[in-house]
Amino acid sequence: DAGVIQSPRHEVTEMGQEVTLRCKPISGHDYLFWYRQTMMRGLELLIYFNNNVPIDDSGMPEDRFSAKMPNASFSTLKIQPSEPRDSAVYFCASSLMEGLGAGQPQHFGDGTRLSIL
Amino acid sequence: GDSVTQMEGPVTLSEEAFLTINCTYTATGYPSLFWYVQYPGEGLQLLLKATKADDKGSNKGFEATYRKETTSFHLEKGSVQVSDSAVYFCALTRNQGGKLIFGQGTELSVKP
Repeated sequence: DAGVIQSPRHEVTEMGQEVTLRCKPISGHDYLFWYRQTMMRGLELLIYFNNNVPIDDSGMPEDRFSAKMPNASFSTLKIQPSEPRDSAVYFCASSLMEGLGAGQPQHFGDGTRLSIL
Repeated sequence: GDSVTQMEGPVTLSEEAFLTINCTYTATGYPSLFWYVQYPGEGLQLLLKATKADDKGSNKGFEATYRKETTSFHLEKGSVQVSDSAVYFCALTRNQGGKLIFGQGTELSVKP
């Protein structure tokens, strides 16, 4: 079975440019999560969706960040304009509804390594 | 609020040594508990889980027991291998929309 697919795997761009990260969750999963991982701050939840609807975006660092999920098989995370402090690894994860049983795990993609120069 | 605390790393062990990575949590109710592993350059993978008190999760020689009385979920392995070198994350969910609360991660390095 295909896992969570993220693209691109690596992105290097200059400060001020728009960056778009993409995610395809596992088919049939109801939840989609965006995380950011840095050495300084560890793993941070940015936003998550349930059935394509944003549920909690309290982790989005500022208005430069936005996320959308136009359908059940695709989500984007945009940064505009990008800044050097946005450099990090961004992960997407998906999971099934909790109602199917306690402790449904999240399945992670391999991440996008973003470098803003 | 809910939180997870792991022992600080890095942890360096020789091959075949015994491993313990401590994890304690703070949460109301009865959360589900997880250990995830992250190998270099990869995303996190579920290693094991436990959904109620006294449950023992196990996988690939690793195990952890859900201890409600001590709010702990320590990860153990009897004999580590070089291939176990990775970062290990403890996490919980209170089953509210699948949101996970992660610990800060513990880096394990196993030397031959």
